[in-house]
Amino acid sequence: GAVVSQHPSWVICKSGTSVKIECRSLDFQATTMFWYRQFPKQSLMLMATSNEGSKATYEQGVEKDKFLINHASLTLSTLTVTSAHPEDSSFYICSAPHTRTGGTDTQYFGPGTRLTVL
Amino acid sequence: KQEVTQIPAALSVPEGENLVLNCSFTDSAIYNLQWFRQDPGKGLTSLLLIQSSQREQTSGRLNASLDKSSGRSTLYIAASQPGDSATYLCAVGLGYSTLTFGKGTMLLVSP
Repeated sequence: GAVVSQHPSWVICKSGTSVKIECRSLDFQATTMFWYRQFPKQSLMLMATSNEGSKATYEQGVEKDKFLINHASLTLSTLTVTSAHPEDSSFYICSAPHTRTGGTDTQYFGPGTRLTVL
Repeated sequence: KQEVTQIPAALSVPEGENLVLNCSFTDSAIYNLQWFRQDPGKGLTSLLLIQSSQREQTSGRLNASLDKSSGRSTLYIAASQPGDSATYLCAVGLGYSTLTFGKGTMLLVSP
């Protein structure tokens, strides 16, 4: 089946530093990838849609200058949290759609990245 | 704006019980509905996907139904096992790959 990986799986950083999270589709190509954020006991909230070869589309309330997204290839999207602060501590998950044989479009999710900002 | 609600928020049952998880959504103009499983600190595993034209989907001990007109879906788990313990998320698809998630139901199945 389709596999999506994320790296790193967890990261701890100091306030004010930047952190880059990678999302890769391992066995399929994805022109679009999605970035979600999940706070404890909350639902996943869509942050942005990453588009290969063009600018990302951000959801309302998400600062595009703070959460930089680059979709450099058909298998890699990166999310950089710039000047991270403790309130950015969260679980970040990416996903990529893949059309199965027969036409069913399914989202495949990465394992997530736990970010803790001290 | 689409809102997805899951009831109950948490559920604890003894092994072997059949159980039902509920999901409701406010806008019936959906593309599809998915049920996911999330283990603590992990990503999501897709369990069942129901297209808007379908009424239900089954996979092993899992059965999911969809009533689009009333904005409801249920996930039925038969003969629950301790390994079923996880958070179950309902997500409504509003278009190409856009998902709106509920907060989930945390399930604990005790031996």
